[in-house]
Amino acid sequence: GAGVSQSPSNKVTEKGKDVELRCDPISGHTALYWYRQSLGQGLEFLIYFQGNSAPDKSGLPSDRFSAERTGGSVSTLTIQRTQQEDSAVYLCASSLGAGGPNTGELFFGEGSRLTVL
Amino acid sequence: QKEVEQDPGPLSVPEGAIVSLNCTYSNSAFQYFMWYRQYSRKGPELLMYTYSSGNKEDGRFTAQVDKSSKYISLFIRDSQPSDSATYLCALAESGGGADGLTFGKGTHLIIQP
Repeated sequence: GAGVSQSPSNKVTEKGKDVELRCDPISGHTALYWYRQSLGQGLEFLIYFQGNSAPDKSGLPSDRFSAERTGGSVSTLTIQRTQQEDSAVYLCASSLGAGGPNTGELFFGEGSRLTVL
Repeated sequence: QKEVEQDPGPLSVPEGAIVSLNCTYSNSAFQYFMWYRQYSRKGPELLMYTYSSGNKEDGRFTAQVDKSSKYISLFIRDSQPSDSATYLCALAESGGGADGLTFGKGTHLIIQP
């Protein structure tokens, strides 16, 4: 499709299990972002990729969270040993990258809704 | 003090009313100001993008930036039930790459038919 694609759309897991969330950005977009959205908390920045490198990992909440991007395209966000407080919607976005007006526009996927029981 | 403050609402108005949504911020380095609209169970989508101070109009939507007061607004004229959504302001120091984009928590808007 033409938009940002995320999978799974919904994931229910038990506390302590690992989960992987996948993001397929818009073709040609060099920048990719992961955000977390919890009820009443707004959008929390997690990590930003430019190409395959991640110049800004400052938002990852703990060392249980990691992300990678390969081939300058698909990205996976991995949460190890999930906790109940990890329950949220994880949103991926992509953009054209640096330079010029309107290149800051983020195109979001529909998110992966994670529930940790 | 948080970098960006936005009233979460909900804000409920009758169809046809003029809606005013606002954010205040503390970082004077912000130069790029955006409004995203998010429907339930969807990702946010860009609605308006402005640089520095002033007004920008697009159809029924007007974005206003007052850098001296660190205050931004989104006005919706002739509001429609389809405008019911959460509106998030987003601010950036630089216009490229969108790293460092700071979002407000969003205002939940309900337009009553």
